Amino acid sequence: GQSLEQPSEVTAVEGAIVQINCTYQTSGFYGLSWYQQHDGGAPTFLSYNALDGLEETGRFSSFLSRSDSYGYLLLQELQMKDSASYFCAVSSGGYQKVTFGTGTKLQVIP
Amino acid sequence: DAGVTQSPTHLIKTRGQQVTLRCSPKSGHDTVSWYQQALGQGPQFIFQYYEEEERQRGNFPDRFSGHQFPNYSSELNVNALLLGDSALYLCASSLGRVLAKNIQYFGAGTRLSVL
Repeated sequence: GQSLEQPSEVTAVEGAIVQINCTYQTSGFYGLSWYQQHDGGAPTFLSYNALDGLEETGRFSSFLSRSDSYGYLLLQELQMKDSASYFCAVSSGGYQKVTFGTGTKLQVIP
Repeated sequence: DAGVTQSPTHLIKTRGQQVTLRCSPKSGHDTVSWYQQALGQGPQFIFQYYEEEERQRGNFPDRFSGHQFPNYSSELNVNALLLGDSALYLCASSLGRVLAKNIQYFGAGTRLSVL
């Protein structure tokens, strides 16, 4: 089966940089995704890594190391609106089944 | 361009009842996946529909069933409801091409409470 581990909670200061790590165990790995979910809202897609390296999208960057089964999400210039839960998710298997981690609750403080 | 829409937004049922949840995918998407999200947890994969067939399934009992219509919309049915079925049910749409960048677009969900 698949398993993912990520920290349950992270607190960071507005304007700072925060990194959320994710380690995974899976067979038939295709890629690692990151989703943001505000309280009471739907998960929204942030990034996807299929190959090793860094992907940058504005203030958000995501990194993947396939050999280490490890990835992270980097959020720069933190804003109060970034307070949310962040989920890593692996796509695996023939039809890219998506398995989500338990989520990291990020609190941005002034 | 309408995103993923789900109905109803909230639902209250009693144990033993049956429920049907509905989902319309994002325009141009042909694949619908259903997830169950308990409070404080990540979404758990229930099953995925593509070309009106269940293409893959997570670890959920047969009480959970679904359907996809020719217009790609989908229903999730849950029979013999248990208290533990209380959760947020999320529908996500995507493109079914296996090699496509697997981006899931989620609806706002249906909050099911079983009393």
